This record gives sequence, C-alpha cells and structure tokens, in this order.
Amino acid sequence: QVHLQESGPGLVKPSETLSLTCSVSGGSLSSSLYFWGWIRQPPGKGLEWIASVYYTGSTHYNPSLKSRFSISSDTSKNQFSLKLNSVTAADTAIYYCARHLGIAAPRAPLPPFDSWGQGTLVTVSS
Amino acid sequence: DIVMTQSPDSLAVSLGERATINCKSSQSILYSSYNKNYLAWYQQKSGQPPKLLIYWASTRESGVPDRFSGSGSETDFTLTISSLQAEDVAVYYCQQYYGTPTFGQGTKVEIK
Repeated sequence: QVHLQESGPGLVKPSETLSLTCSVSGGSLSSSLYFWGWIRQPPGKGLEWIASVYYTGSTHYNPSLKSRFSISSDTSKNQFSLKLNSVTAADTAIYYCARHLGIAAPRAPLPPFDSWGQGTLVTVSS
Repeated sequence: DIVMTQSPDSLAVSLGERATINCKSSQSILYSSYNKNYLAWYQQKSGQPPKLLIYWASTRESGVPDRFSGSGSETDFTLTISSLQAEDVAVYYCQQYYGTPTFGQGTKVEIK
C-alpha cells in the first residue's frame, strides 16, 4: 500500500519561498499509471487543488492560483516537491500531497485522489 | 472554473437513519462520449486527510462500506449514507475532475 509523507517548514515569513517535499513509499513515482499532486486546506476551510505532476515531468497547475507555484518530481528519490514564492498570510494552510487514482479518464488527465499524506501545517507569519 | 455547491452545509441525523448530501455543478460534468460523470466524493474525519469514497459519481472505492452510495448525472449529484453509523461523523466533499479539479465547500454530518 502506498504511503505519502509531507515534509517542510512549519513556519514561513511573509514574502519568503515555501518548499515542501512529499516522500513516497510502497509505490513508484516512475509508474505510468499515476499523477501525483498537492492540495491545500486553510484551517477550518475547504480543499483547493494546487498542482500535479507525472513521472515524465509533465505538470498541471490550478490557473486560479496564478504562477507562484512550481511542482517537480525526483524519481531517483521517489519524491515530488512544491515551491511557493512570495508567501502571504493567505497561504497559511494544511498542505497535503496525494496520488491520483490510476484510472483512464478520457478528456481529463487528473482523476480523483485515492491516497493522501497526513498533511503538514504551514503558517505564514513574521 | 467549474463551481461545486453542496447542500446542506451541515446536517444532524439519528443513528441508523439515512443521510443525504447534495452537490450541484455550475456546468455539466457528464462526458457523453464516455457516458461518465466526472464526480467524486470524499470523507474527511477530524484531524485526518480526506478519504476517497466514490468516483464516476457512483463507483465505490475498494473497501468502502455499501451503505455509502452515489447517484446523479450532469449537474446534480447525491451522496447517500443509508444507515448512519457513529464512525460516519465527518465532513463530506464532492469534487469534479471534468476540468480543473474543484471541490464543494463541504457538508458536516453529525449525530442527532
């Protein structure tokens, strides 16, 4: 069974860059079956998809979040990462990494998420 | 973006009774050529990540109890818990994956 674990700083200052890493075990980032993604959830609020990556390096981003995010993968380490530039208090949230379900979804490359990490709380504050 | 709107925001149901959650999309999420509705449901218990319950609007994920069922098509969808158990207390989210993935705002289910 696949296991995902987020890591990163719990506290980031405004205007700095946030870097998060998701370590995957029990499954391979090199598998052609899956996309891997990041979702965030402000405390007490709903879920927002951020970005996803395929083992080839192909990426998808939420256009509503502008271009401050960058997702990448390192198949040799079985990890994928998220960077967020110029953070503000509005970026305070639990950040989850997750695997997309390995199903064929014609016209839509991003199926729902079937495995999630426990999440890491990121607070933006000076 | 496709906007997902859930109703109600919260509901309280007696143990053993039926719970019904609705989800409406701002446009059809039925891909007619494939005859599939691109809708999923998740359960999120307090302090935990979401858990996938249903995809393709009505296909239960492996291991999900059969008291959970999904229905609907095009823009209107429903998650039904046929006989509420104590362990079903959670927030439930719908999500469309027809376009840029978006989630509903969540529905909190409690015991009456």
